[in-house]
Amino acid sequence: DVKVTQSSRYLVKRTGEKVFLECVQDMDHENMFWYRQDPGLGLRLIYFSYDVKMKEKGDIPEGYSVSREKKERFSLILESASTNQTSMYLCASSPGTGGKRNTIYFGEGSWLTVV
Amino acid sequence: DQQVKQNSPSLSVQEGRISILNCDYTNSMFDYFLWYKKYPAEGPTFLISISSIKDKNEDGRFTVFLNKSAKHLSLHIVPSQPGDSAVYFCAASAKTGANNLFFGTGTRLTVIP
Repeated sequence: DVKVTQSSRYLVKRTGEKVFLECVQDMDHENMFWYRQDPGLGLRLIYFSYDVKMKEKGDIPEGYSVSREKKERFSLILESASTNQTSMYLCASSPGTGGKRNTIYFGEGSWLTVV
Repeated sequence: DQQVKQNSPSLSVQEGRISILNCDYTNSMFDYFLWYKKYPAEGPTFLISISSIKDKNEDGRFTVFLNKSAKHLSLHIVPSQPGDSAVYFCAASAKTGANNLFFGTGTRLTVIP
């Protein structure tokens, strides 16, 4: 089974703090993603990476950055947290090749509250 | 611009009956479609997928139907069980371009015992 592990399930941070959300996958997947989920808005893509040290902006990259130094690890960084970044953050990975190349597998999510 | 749409935010069904969740898309380049199930406070889990070369794919109680001419897909759950109560997201990807999925906004299914 694919395992995508997010380091923190619940975080509370203050406005202006720098926040790191870490994610590790154990299936040697090429692609990794960060989404956020908000009620009524579905899943919105923040950033994705298709290779080590490579990154692409998704639909809502403003206020976020990412880092992928190793294939299995993808980090989301909030440089200066704001209250409108309170949300559930979901890390995911996909194989990138093969018949199910675009099937995305999600972690359990990280609930971030910015106060 | 929402390329994948789920127009019904919620659906209630009696236990044992059929649940039908619908999804429409606008991009004719989409060639791979998926359904995900999400419980509260958990990440979405992959449920079933279908390639554009097929019009039906079945896995146990779950069947996905694809109507390419109408740009429509649906998920049928038969029989519905209380444990199926969750939010269901449909998603699509294109053969070319980035390997990311486009998601709908989700439909909350409630199965009433």
